[in-house]
Amino acid sequence: GAGVSQSPSNKVTEKGKDVELRCDPISGHTALYWYRQSLGQGLEFLIYFQGNSAPDKSGLPSDRFSAERTGGSVSTLTIQRTQQEDSAVYLCASSPATGAGRAPFFGQGTRLTVV
Amino acid sequence: SQKIEQNSEALNIQEGKTATLTCNYTNYSPAYLQWYRQDPGRGPVFLLLIRENEKEKRKERLKVTFDTTLKQSLFHITASQPADSATYLCALNSGNTPLVFGKGTRLSVIA
Repeated sequence: GAGVSQSPSNKVTEKGKDVELRCDPISGHTALYWYRQSLGQGLEFLIYFQGNSAPDKSGLPSDRFSAERTGGSVSTLTIQRTQQEDSAVYLCASSPATGAGRAPFFGQGTRLTVV
Repeated sequence: SQKIEQNSEALNIQEGKTATLTCNYTNYSPAYLQWYRQDPGRGPVFLLLIRENEKEKRKERLKVTFDTTLKQSLFHITASQPADSATYLCALNSGNTPLVFGKGTRLSVIA
């Protein structure tokens, strides 16, 4: 597609369940980012991937969060044993490369609600 | 720790006036500063980027300034229109670090 695609757009899950959020970046973009945005808050960096390099996981809030990127394209963010504080909009972005000055393109996000 | 502050959560202005949004940062030496627009239910959309060695950048009705001494960026929208109503985010990075975002300022342009 022409832009970054995320699925599902909305997800409601019960506390304690695992969820998987998917991101299809723009074709050819080597850098991929995950952010989350809680109500009234700014974007919180979670993780980013650049080509075949080891991902920067420094923003992941706990070991319940993990992400992978297969074949340098699609990425999946997994949250295990979800908690209510995990409720947020999870945004994926991609750019042609990392490096300052590369403005990422964002998807519309997945709104996760943990009940 | 690194901190980015955007001057206010919300700003209301009359149509036709110039909107000025502020972004201040501490404990950071960014090489680049970016401004994004975010509409409800949407991801942020890139507007402008300014480098540390640039003082000002313009694009149509938008103007961004970057003062590395004051550690501040100003974002101006001239001749504002109701369609400019949105949340505006500033973001910083340098080297290969991911963008760090402020919480945003919600702008409302009143007809």
